[in-house]
Amino acid sequence: DGGITQSPKYLFRKEGQNVTLSCEQNLNHDAMYWYRQDPGQGLRLIYYSQIVNDFQKGDIAEGYSVSREKKESFPLTVTSAQKNPTAFYLCASSISTGTGSNQPQHFGDGTRLSIL
Amino acid sequence: GESVGLHLPTLSVQEGDNSIINCAYSNSASDYFIWYKQESGKGPQFIIDIRSNMDKRQGQRVTVLLNKTVKHLSLQIAATQPGDSAVYFCAEKVRGYQKVTFGTGTKLQVIP
Repeated sequence: DGGITQSPKYLFRKEGQNVTLSCEQNLNHDAMYWYRQDPGQGLRLIYYSQIVNDFQKGDIAEGYSVSREKKESFPLTVTSAQKNPTAFYLCASSISTGTGSNQPQHFGDGTRLSIL
Repeated sequence: GESVGLHLPTLSVQEGDNSIINCAYSNSASDYFIWYKQESGKGPQFIIDIRSNMDKRQGQRVTVLLNKTVKHLSLQIAATQPGDSAVYFCAEKVRGYQKVTFGTGTKLQVIP
């Protein structure tokens, strides 16, 4: 089945530690995204990537880093610089969203990150 | 369960009735709109989309209505079932821009 796989489902971070959240898709989508979801709020964009080896900051990129070495994979690292990392993290992908295209994003089932 | 539904407006509907979930969008330049369903502990699931050159679009048991004059979007679910219980988000996008703006969501509670 085609889809987006996020792992792990639950993750715990100690003070001063970096953690990496995995996102893999087999939909052959060019564009991938990372969002953060907090209770009672809409999804907020952390980073996005339209193509391999290229990515852009979203609205709340501080304290996060990403890489896009392969089309299928877009891992997110939550660094120790992110002072409030406890949240539900969602990865999404879509068909290439060039200037003339509007396509829906499809989401994984998220990773819940908590601080120990 | 997950706290994604905390403090959200809630719509309670009797099983078998029709549901209408409303959304006011913010950007008059938005030309693409999407509805998502999010169940507890899961990621948002695409339901239906509509482009600004349309006023109405129908799917299986769902209809989306777009009123650009008042910047209002609605999702109608026919014959609501217990499996429809979830948080529903609308999202808007401007052509040529990457960013999708998501609403905060409405929690739909179906009463058996």
